Amino acid sequence: NAGVTQTPKFRVLKTGQSMTLLCAQDMNHEYMYWYRQDPGMGLRLIHYSVGEGTTAKGEVPDGYNVSRLKKQNFLLGLESAAPSQTSVYFCASSRGSGTYEQYFGPGTRLTVT
Amino acid sequence: GNSVTQMEGPVTLSEEAFLTINCTYTATGYPSLFWYVQYPGEGLQLLLKATKADDKGSNKGFEATYRKETTSFHLEKGSVQVSDSAVYFCALSGVPQGAQKLVFGQGTRLTINP
Repeated sequence: NAGVTQTPKFRVLKTGQSMTLLCAQDMNHEYMYWYRQDPGMGLRLIHYSVGEGTTAKGEVPDGYNVSRLKKQNFLLGLESAAPSQTSVYFCASSRGSGTYEQYFGPGTRLTVT
Repeated sequence: GNSVTQMEGPVTLSEEAFLTINCTYTATGYPSLFWYVQYPGEGLQLLLKATKADDKGSNKGFEATYRKETTSFHLEKGSVQVSDSAVYFCALSGVPQGAQKLVFGQGTRLTINP
């Protein structure tokens, strides 16, 4: 039981390049989330999904897109990376209604130069 | 909107000292409250939680009590160890009713010296 895994662990991009971060969970959770962590700001929600085929915007969605084609996977895309997107990205999942505990992946450190 | 405020860090203590990290929240309704811990180079792990007023969450010697009257959820430990060095996040969820999104405080970095 791996829990929540993220790929890749590290990435360096040049401004304007695109990339996709992959999150996978093996707990059969309905809800999945993408957060970014910046120094002194805690974690901020980018996008989330309440089930396969659904996505919704969080607090800081601009510059990102997401897809949830399979229940176990949640992809975060950057179409044209900017230096302001340099951050650590965390994926999380939760069971759904009635339970609010979220389980986090190990994070992806992204640097945009 | 909903928000969480934690005490400013960093916090540095000696081993076996008493720890308090303050957390207060603003929310409409009755949120669930959480403390998450992030060890160096890792993701966040749930440390403890409380889902209603006067509940006490506890784990690994840490405790926090859900105080509705003061809208607080302070984290305490009677005797800290070097291995407790980490960043601690207070968070809330469940408001509006049923909302799954977590709202985090800014985090408090704790360093324990031997």
